[in-house]
Amino acid sequence: GAGVSQSPSNKVTEKGKDVELRCDPISGHTALYWYRQRLGQGLEFLIYFQGNSAPDKSGLPSDRFSAERTGESVSTLTIQRTQQEDSAVYLCASSRVAENTIYFGEGSWLTVV
Amino acid sequence: GQNIDQPTEMTATEGAIVQINCTYQTSGFNGLFWYQQHAGEAPTFLSYNVLDGLEEKGRFSSFLSRSKGYSYLLLKELQMKDSASYLCALLEGYQKVTFGTGTKLQVIP
Repeated sequence: GAGVSQSPSNKVTEKGKDVELRCDPISGHTALYWYRQRLGQGLEFLIYFQGNSAPDKSGLPSDRFSAERTGESVSTLTIQRTQQEDSAVYLCASSRVAENTIYFGEGSWLTVV
Repeated sequence: GQNIDQPTEMTATEGAIVQINCTYQTSGFNGLFWYQQHAGEAPTFLSYNVLDGLEEKGRFSSFLSRSKGYSYLLLKELQMKDSASYLCALLEGYQKVTFGTGTKLQVIP
């Protein structure tokens, strides 16, 4: 696609429910990143993929968080048993090695009530 | 990221020049980015430095000193629309990109 696409754009969920957030990177981009940004705060690194492997999962906050990627395409971030502290915008970005820029999607705004 | 430091907030006057500093620590430096983020929007790319020195791009310039672990973003001829957060980010290792907490810049008339 022309840009990084994320869905849903907004999600309100009840505490304890599971949620899945989806990211469609720019076609041909080998690297894919997930970040979390709480209101008024900076970008917190969660995980990144090179192709479909994840060299660094150190940013995932707990075992309730997991992510996967199919080939060099779509990625899903899953949050199990959501807590109110998970409320944030989840930003996905992608890049390719030859181009020293990462491009962001518009984010998925998650509210846990 | 915890290894990237930036001031939390800055205020500057329309038409003036402002310098936003960033210091970092890493063993796997492969480049430094600056991104702009308006409230409620996704970050957008401003600059990338991998070699020491100044990169100029219109009203925005970015400087890097690898030996000092230091970068700055220079904004000239400030406009009201430049009010935003400015994020310093490290490219570490092969492709890992981590961000500082950002500097919120307020431009006043």
